Amino acid sequence: ELKVEQNPLFLSMQEGKNYTIYCNYSTTSDRLYWYRQDPGKSLESLFVLLSNGAVKQEGRLMASLDTKARLSTLHITAAVHDLSATYFCAVGHKLAGYGGSQGNLIFGKGTKLSVKP
Amino acid sequence: DAGVTQSPTHLIKTRGQQVTLRCSPKSGHDTVSWYQQALGQGPQFIFQYYEEEERQRGNFPDRFSGHQFPNYSSELNVNALLLGDSALYLCASSSGTHQTQYFGPGTRLLVL
Repeated sequence: ELKVEQNPLFLSMQEGKNYTIYCNYSTTSDRLYWYRQDPGKSLESLFVLLSNGAVKQEGRLMASLDTKARLSTLHITAAVHDLSATYFCAVGHKLAGYGGSQGNLIFGKGTKLSVKP
Repeated sequence: DAGVTQSPTHLIKTRGQQVTLRCSPKSGHDTVSWYQQALGQGPQFIFQYYEEEERQRGNFPDRFSGHQFPNYSSELNVNALLLGDSALYLCASSSGTHQTQYFGPGTRLLVL
């Protein structure tokens, strides 16, 4: 059974500081997603990582993937208050017999990030 | 371009009742997946629909059922509601060419 573990689950940061959120998964996967969720809101797609060594950056967030270690990281650079949210990693895999279509996502428990002035 | 839409936004039911939640996928998407998100947890996969058929199901009882219509919209039905069914129900759509799942705003269900 595929399991996805995130750490830390809670993270309180000061503005301007850097930090990394870790996502470990237990079996091989085709792709790794990072989503953001604001309180009471839905999930916003941030990154999709498809191959070993993939790195994607958007603003102060950078995600990377190491498929051999089954590890993805989300690095936050010079945090600002607007980044306060819960961040989820999710692992996807292809559906057998459906021509490579994406099946269900397995989510971690999420990392609740609070950035304080 | 409208994103994924869901209705209703909030719903209050009592134990034993039945509920139907609705989802319209993002334009150009043909696959709909449903997830349940309990408070403080990550979303849990319920099932996925493609071409009007359920093609993958998560670890949820038969009380949870669904349907997809020819226009790709979808419904989630839950029978014999339990207190533990209280959660945010999220619909996500995707397509064969762009497989990232995009989530709707969700329906928050409270079972009393």
